Amino acid sequence: DSGVTQTPKHLITATGQRVTLRCSPRSGDLSVYWYQQSLDQGLQFLIQYYNGEERAKGNILERFSAQQFPDLHSELNLSSLELGDSALYFCASSGGGTGDPYGYTFGSGTRLTVV
Amino acid sequence: DAKTTQPPSMDCAEGRAANLPCNHSTISGNEYVYWYRQIHSQGPQYIIHGLKNNETNEMASLIITEDRKSSTLILPHATLRDTAVYYCIVRFPFGNEKLTFGTGTRLTIIP
Repeated sequence: DSGVTQTPKHLITATGQRVTLRCSPRSGDLSVYWYQQSLDQGLQFLIQYYNGEERAKGNILERFSAQQFPDLHSELNLSSLELGDSALYFCASSGGGTGDPYGYTFGSGTRLTVV
Repeated sequence: DAKTTQPPSMDCAEGRAANLPCNHSTISGNEYVYWYRQIHSQGPQYIIHGLKNNETNEMASLIITEDRKSSTLILPHATLRDTAVYYCIVRFPFGNEKLTFGTGTRLTIIP
Protein backbone atom coordinates (compact mmCIF):
# COMPACT_ATOMS: atom_id res chain seq x y z
CA ASP A 1 0.00 0.00 0.00
CA SER A 2 1.60 3.24 -1.19
CA GLY A 3 -0.60 5.45 0.97
CA VAL A 4 -2.31 7.00 -2.05
CA THR A 5 -5.84 5.63 -2.45
CA GLN A 6 -7.74 5.71 -5.70
CA THR A 7 -11.35 4.70 -6.17
CA PRO A 8 -12.88 3.01 -7.96
CA LYS A 9 -10.32 0.53 -9.26
CA HIS A 10 -12.37 -0.28 -12.31
CA LEU A 11 -15.10 1.64 -14.08
CA ILE A 12 -17.10 0.72 -17.16
CA THR A 13 -19.40 3.29 -18.66
CA ALA A 14 -21.01 4.26 -21.94
CA THR A 15 -20.06 6.97 -24.37
CA GLY A 16 -21.49 10.36 -23.52
CA GLN A 17 -21.58 9.66 -19.82
CA ARG A 18 -19.81 11.44 -16.97
CA VAL A 19 -17.68 9.84 -14.27
CA THR A 20 -15.78 10.97 -11.22
CA LEU A 21 -12.49 9.46 -10.11
CA ARG A 22 -11.36 9.99 -6.56
CA CYS A 23 -7.92 10.23 -5.01
CA SER A 24 -6.89 10.44 -1.37
CA PRO A 25 -3.27 11.56 -1.09
CA ARG A 26 -0.66 10.21 1.29
CA SER A 27 -1.07 11.64 4.78
CA GLY A 28 0.55 15.07 4.97
CA ASP A 29 0.99 15.53 1.23
CA LEU A 30 -0.36 18.77 -0.15
CA SER A 31 0.13 18.20 -3.88
CA VAL A 32 -1.97 15.92 -6.02
CA TYR A 33 -1.18 15.09 -9.64
CA TRP A 34 -3.34 13.32 -12.21
CA TYR A 35 -1.96 11.27 -15.09
CA GLN A 36 -3.58 9.42 -17.98
CA GLN A 37 -2.11 6.30 -19.54
CA SER A 38 -3.81 4.95 -22.63
CA LEU A 39 -3.15 1.40 -23.83
CA ASP A 40 0.57 0.94 -24.50
CA GLN A 41 1.10 4.68 -24.20
CA GLY A 42 3.18 6.74 -21.86
CA LEU A 43 2.07 8.58 -18.79
CA GLN A 44 0.54 11.92 -19.77
CA PHE A 45 0.37 14.62 -17.13
CA LEU A 46 -3.10 16.12 -16.83
CA ILE A 47 -3.20 18.51 -13.90
CA GLN A 48 -1.71 19.34 -10.50
CA TYR A 49 -3.29 20.79 -7.39
CA TYR A 50 -1.44 22.15 -4.41
CA ASN A 51 -3.34 22.76 -1.18
CA GLY A 52 -6.61 23.30 -3.00
CA GLU A 53 -5.29 25.50 -5.80
CA GLU A 54 -4.53 24.53 -9.38
CA ARG A 55 -0.75 24.61 -9.77
CA ALA A 56 -0.03 23.26 -13.25
CA LYS A 57 -1.99 22.07 -16.22
CA GLY A 58 -0.92 19.62 -18.89
CA ASN A 59 -2.73 18.11 -21.84
CA ILE A 60 -6.10 18.00 -20.15
CA LEU A 61 -9.18 18.11 -22.36
CA GLU A 62 -11.86 20.72 -21.78
CA ARG A 63 -14.28 17.87 -21.07
CA PHE A 64 -12.13 16.98 -18.05
CA SER A 65 -11.93 18.93 -14.84
CA ALA A 66 -10.51 18.42 -11.40
CA GLN A 67 -10.57 19.90 -7.95
CA GLN A 68 -8.91 19.44 -4.60
CA PHE A 69 -11.02 19.71 -1.49
CA PRO A 70 -10.16 21.18 1.95
CA ASP A 71 -9.39 17.69 3.25
CA LEU A 72 -6.89 17.45 0.34
CA HIS A 73 -8.58 14.63 -1.50
CA SER A 74 -9.01 15.26 -5.20
CA GLU A 75 -11.56 14.34 -7.82
CA LEU A 76 -11.12 14.10 -11.57
CA ASN A 77 -14.33 14.59 -13.51
CA LEU A 78 -14.57 13.24 -17.03
CA SER A 79 -17.62 14.18 -19.08
CA SER A 80 -19.05 13.49 -22.54
CA LEU A 81 -16.93 10.37 -22.54
CA GLU A 82 -15.57 9.00 -25.79
CA LEU A 83 -14.10 5.60 -26.61
CA GLY A 84 -10.66 7.19 -26.71
CA ASP A 85 -10.92 8.18 -23.06
CA SER A 86 -10.52 4.54 -22.08
CA ALA A 87 -7.30 4.47 -20.10
CA LEU A 88 -5.64 4.05 -16.76
CA TYR A 89 -5.86 7.17 -14.65
CA PHE A 90 -3.24 7.56 -11.96
CA CYS A 91 -3.12 9.93 -9.07
CA ALA A 92 0.10 10.79 -7.26
CA SER A 93 0.89 12.94 -4.27
CA SER A 94 3.94 14.69 -2.94
CA GLY A 95 5.05 16.59 0.11
CA GLY A 96 4.48 20.01 1.47
CA GLY A 97 5.71 23.45 0.60
CA THR A 98 9.37 22.56 0.33
CA GLY A 99 8.63 19.78 -2.10
CA ASP A 100 9.45 16.16 -1.85
CA PRO A 101 13.01 15.08 -2.71
CA TYR A 102 11.82 11.53 -3.15
CA GLY A 103 9.42 12.54 -5.87
CA TYR A 104 5.90 11.33 -5.94
CA THR A 105 3.99 8.42 -4.55
CA PHE A 106 1.52 6.94 -7.01
CA GLY A 107 -1.77 5.22 -6.39
CA SER A 108 -2.72 1.95 -8.05
CA GLY A 109 -4.90 3.68 -10.62
CA THR A 110 -8.44 3.58 -11.95
CA ARG A 111 -9.03 1.63 -15.12
CA LEU A 112 -11.73 3.36 -17.14
CA THR A 113 -13.39 1.54 -20.00
CA VAL A 114 -15.78 3.45 -22.22
CA VAL A 115 -18.07 1.25 -24.33
CA ASP B 1 11.23 18.58 -25.53
CA ALA B 2 12.51 15.30 -24.20
CA LYS B 3 15.04 15.86 -21.45
CA THR B 4 16.23 12.25 -21.35
CA THR B 5 17.02 9.54 -23.87
CA GLN B 6 16.74 5.84 -23.05
CA PRO B 7 16.91 2.69 -25.16
CA PRO B 8 13.40 1.40 -25.85
CA SER B 9 14.07 -2.12 -24.64
CA MET B 10 16.64 -4.36 -23.00
CA ASP B 11 16.90 -7.97 -21.90
CA CYS B 12 18.82 -9.30 -18.93
CA ALA B 13 19.33 -12.82 -17.63
CA GLU B 14 17.89 -13.59 -14.23
CA GLY B 15 20.51 -13.27 -11.51
CA ARG B 16 22.74 -10.99 -13.54
CA ALA B 17 23.16 -7.25 -13.09
CA ALA B 18 20.88 -5.12 -15.22
CA ASN B 19 22.47 -1.86 -16.35
CA LEU B 20 20.03 0.69 -17.74
CA PRO B 21 21.57 3.78 -19.40
CA CYS B 22 20.12 7.25 -19.67
CA ASN B 23 21.37 10.32 -21.47
CA HIS B 24 20.47 13.74 -20.09
CA SER B 25 22.90 16.06 -21.80
CA THR B 26 20.86 19.23 -21.11
CA ILE B 27 20.52 18.69 -17.38
CA SER B 28 20.88 21.90 -15.39
CA GLY B 29 22.97 22.35 -12.29
CA ASN B 30 20.11 22.07 -9.80
CA GLU B 31 18.27 19.17 -11.44
CA TYR B 32 18.42 15.69 -10.01
CA VAL B 33 18.21 12.40 -11.85
CA TYR B 34 15.29 10.24 -10.79
CA TRP B 35 14.45 6.68 -11.70
CA TYR B 36 11.00 5.16 -11.54
CA ARG B 37 9.64 1.89 -12.77
CA GLN B 38 6.21 0.71 -13.77
CA ILE B 39 5.36 -2.93 -13.49
CA HIS B 40 2.57 -3.85 -15.85
CA SER B 41 -0.42 -1.52 -15.32
CA GLN B 42 0.61 -0.66 -11.76
CA GLY B 43 1.37 2.84 -10.56
CA PRO B 44 4.96 3.95 -11.13
CA GLN B 45 7.29 3.22 -8.24
CA TYR B 46 10.16 5.41 -7.09
CA ILE B 47 13.53 3.65 -7.22
CA ILE B 48 16.35 6.10 -6.54
CA HIS B 49 17.55 9.62 -7.23
CA GLY B 50 20.81 11.55 -7.19
CA LEU B 51 22.49 14.84 -7.97
CA LYS B 52 26.11 14.09 -8.79
CA ASN B 53 27.36 11.44 -6.43
CA ASN B 54 26.73 7.77 -6.89
CA GLU B 55 23.83 6.54 -4.82
CA THR B 56 22.78 3.12 -3.55
CA ASN B 57 19.72 1.91 -1.74
CA GLU B 58 18.08 -1.44 -1.12
CA MET B 59 16.66 -1.54 -4.63
CA ALA B 60 19.40 -0.26 -6.90
CA SER B 61 22.52 1.78 -7.52
CA LEU B 62 22.74 4.96 -9.54
CA ILE B 63 25.95 5.94 -11.27
CA ILE B 64 26.11 9.52 -12.60
CA THR B 65 28.98 10.57 -14.84
CA GLU B 66 31.22 13.40 -13.71
CA ASP B 67 29.82 15.77 -16.33
CA ARG B 68 26.30 14.70 -15.30
CA LYS B 69 25.28 14.19 -18.90
CA SER B 70 24.43 10.54 -18.45
CA SER B 71 23.67 7.98 -15.79
CA THR B 72 23.21 4.26 -15.31
CA LEU B 73 20.74 2.49 -13.09
CA ILE B 74 22.05 -0.84 -11.84
CA LEU B 75 19.86 -3.62 -10.52
CA PRO B 76 22.56 -5.86 -9.03
CA HIS B 77 20.81 -9.24 -9.14
CA ALA B 78 17.83 -9.03 -11.44
CA THR B 79 14.80 -11.20 -10.74
CA LEU B 80 11.71 -11.88 -12.83
CA ARG B 81 9.87 -9.35 -10.69
CA ASP B 82 12.14 -6.63 -12.04
CA THR B 83 10.51 -6.93 -15.47
CA ALA B 84 9.04 -3.46 -15.97
CA VAL B 85 9.33 -0.18 -17.84
CA TYR B 86 12.04 1.99 -16.29
CA TYR B 87 11.87 5.75 -16.55
CA CYS B 88 14.76 8.16 -16.15
CA ILE B 89 13.60 11.69 -15.30
CA VAL B 90 15.46 14.89 -14.54
CA ARG B 91 13.76 17.15 -12.09
CA PHE B 92 14.26 19.89 -9.59
CA PRO B 93 13.35 18.18 -6.33
CA PHE B 94 11.71 21.07 -4.55
CA GLY B 95 8.69 23.19 -5.28
CA ASN B 96 6.47 20.25 -6.18
CA GLU B 97 7.47 20.31 -9.82
CA LYS B 98 5.56 17.80 -11.90
CA LEU B 99 7.23 14.64 -13.20
CA THR B 100 7.40 14.38 -16.97
CA PHE B 101 7.67 10.80 -18.16
CA GLY B 102 9.31 9.83 -21.42
CA THR B 103 8.95 6.47 -23.13
CA GLY B 104 11.34 4.66 -20.80
CA THR B 105 13.15 1.35 -21.25
CA ARG B 106 11.20 -1.88 -21.23
CA LEU B 107 13.40 -4.29 -19.28
CA THR B 108 12.67 -7.98 -19.66
CA ILE B 109 14.32 -10.40 -17.27
CA ILE B 110 14.86 -13.77 -18.92
CA PRO B 111 14.79 -16.96 -16.82
